[in-house]
Amino acid sequence: SAVISQKPSRDICQRGTSLTIQCQVDSQVTMMFWYRQQPGQSLTLIATANQGSEATYESGFVIDKFPISRPNLTFSTLTVSNMSPEDSSIYLCSVEDWGAQDLNEQFFGPGTRLTVL
Amino acid sequence: AQTVTQSQPEMSVQEAETVTLSCTYDTSENNYYLFWYKQPPSRQMILVIRQEAYKQQNATENRFSVNFQKAAKSFSLKISDSQLGDTAMYFCAFRLNAGNMLTFGGGTRLMVKP
Repeated sequence: SAVISQKPSRDICQRGTSLTIQCQVDSQVTMMFWYRQQPGQSLTLIATANQGSEATYESGFVIDKFPISRPNLTFSTLTVSNMSPEDSSIYLCSVEDWGAQDLNEQFFGPGTRLTVL
Repeated sequence: AQTVTQSQPEMSVQEAETVTLSCTYDTSENNYYLFWYKQPPSRQMILVIRQEAYKQQNATENRFSVNFQKAAKSFSLKISDSQLGDTAMYFCAFRLNAGNMLTFGGGTRLMVKP
């Protein structure tokens, strides 16, 4: 099963600035996903990132606000641009990989807690 | 589009007792996967149990089991012999096939009391 790390684990930022979140996987994976979890809320998919192609964004999320890079099969970044307090959330990276019993599963990183002042 | 609903925002249970968390979903598809994830205060999302829609047998994983009612589009999670470490947010999730996104319910906050 995939092991995922995210950097930074948390950050406090000023409005109007940008933050880039890194997601590193210990194995090569095809599908990577970025989710947002607003305070006290559930997870919402921001975009799907495949290596070698543009990320696919969900309704309500745009590339100018959340640019994503996927330079290889083990790494991706999500940038939160021109931040406002409404962007304060936990951002989670997720990948598909083969887990126990050879079943395809989604594994999650530990998340990045972002606070925008 | 698929939707997932968890009608219980918060629940509590005494240690060693049994608790059931509810989940309903809406889809027009016949083949899909259902999951329960646990998110403790550490924020780490942990897969608890999964169910393939084509399987009639309910999935079990140690103290965790599901009651999957496909016709009713219901997927409840039963936790037996509750432990203090089970205290967490629990999310029900739906996925069509491999390579597809997970659609999450709103979550149920479970508190296990000593």
